[in-house]
Amino acid sequence: ETGVTQSPTHLIKTRGQQVTLRCSSQSGHNTVSWYQQALGQGPQFIFQYYREEENGRGNFPPRFSGLQFPNYSSELNVNALELDDSALYLCASSLLSGTRSYNEQFFGPGTRLTVL
Amino acid sequence: GNSVTQMEGPVTLSEEAFLTINCTYTATGYPSLFWYVQYPGEGLQLLLKATKADDKGSNKGFEATYRKETTSFHLEKGSVQVSDSAVYFCALTRYNFNKFYFGSGTKLNVKP
Repeated sequence: ETGVTQSPTHLIKTRGQQVTLRCSSQSGHNTVSWYQQALGQGPQFIFQYYREEENGRGNFPPRFSGLQFPNYSSELNVNALELDDSALYLCASSLLSGTRSYNEQFFGPGTRLTVL
Repeated sequence: GNSVTQMEGPVTLSEEAFLTINCTYTATGYPSLFWYVQYPGEGLQLLLKATKADDKGSNKGFEATYRKETTSFHLEKGSVQVSDSAVYFCALTRYNFNKFYFGSGTKLNVKP
């Protein structure tokens, strides 16, 4: 069973540029969530994708967007990068099922984005 | 709204000392509660969980009990090791909601 993987590991961009981060979910999982973790802070929920559609969103502007593919992998796109977007971006996969009362999330190692 | 508050760190202990990291929460309804651990340069790993009041989650010597009356989920370990040095996050999620709310994390340093 393969775990959650993310690419790239590190990325440096300049203000105003666009970036795409990638995530492969754990085998058997159908849901991907993205989190932003600023230095010294806890992860903040960006959005979740289930069956290729957005299934919940946190307090992030529209320049944060995403995709989920038929194989359940996902991309996070950020346009018009700002200095405050510098953070660790974490992807988490889970199995969303109506018979379960909660859904445990399994996290990838993250992508460290630096915006200069 | 939903939120999690953790004690501020860092917490520095000697090996074999007793550990408590406080976590309190605010939530509508009946949340599930989690502790995650993050080692340097890595993502988050689930440490333990509890899904209803009075449940006790446990793993690798760590324990936490879901206390509805005090809205708390404190993490404890009887004897810490150097290898326990990491950042610990308390988190909650609600029934079928799937969004996790995390605390700000507590860094634990264990000295030999």
